Amino acid sequence: AQSVSQHNHHVILSEAASLELGCNYSYGGTVNLFWYVQYPGQHLQLLLKYFSGDPLVKGIKGFEAEFIKSKFSFNLRKPSVQWSDTAEYFCAVNAETGGFKTIFGAGTRLFVKA
Amino acid sequence: GAGVSQSPSNKVTEKGKDVELRCDPISGHTALYWYRQSLGQGLEFLIYFQGNSAPDKSGLPSDRFSAERTGGSVSTLTIQRTQQEDSAVYLCASSPRSGANVLTFGAGSRLTVL
Repeated sequence: AQSVSQHNHHVILSEAASLELGCNYSYGGTVNLFWYVQYPGQHLQLLLKYFSGDPLVKGIKGFEAEFIKSKFSFNLRKPSVQWSDTAEYFCAVNAETGGFKTIFGAGTRLFVKA
Repeated sequence: GAGVSQSPSNKVTEKGKDVELRCDPISGHTALYWYRQSLGQGLEFLIYFQGNSAPDKSGLPSDRFSAERTGGSVSTLTIQRTQQEDSAVYLCASSPRSGANVLTFGAGSRLTVL
């Protein structure tokens, strides 16, 4: 079945630590990839997206993600996290083979200690 | 409107009652999505509309769940004979069209079934 997998459900880091959140998907063919973030008490919002072109995409607040087609992965990275990055992060995929519905992973709760 | 509006923001109901949740998408957005967010379950896809038609209803958990969209705008998600396991936050999102598009989310409707 088509799915999106996030490897870490809970991550705790200290400020200035580096972050990498894993995301893998099972769709074939052309895919559109997203990371969304939900800060405490706020709506889900887009962090970054990949549609085509350079597989290394940069988003808001210093986040970036790399699309590796051969590994069906779209991992999220940030070199140095801040306390304000505490949030829940969702990987999402939208693909023609999936009927263009956007499917989300289970989410990763990140807590950054000040 | 300026954003995606959902109502009610909170609903407490007794087991066995019917509930209706409303979503008013961004004006001009033709694609509309419903998701369910439960603790530890991430975002579960329920249904999406392109215009007034629903190409994909595969995520509806049971025949107690139904949704409609009229005039290519407002959508209503109806849950009949609610059960305690229906308790969750129901999120609506819209985008200019289906496919490679960013979703704009509403604040959600938190449903509690006693």
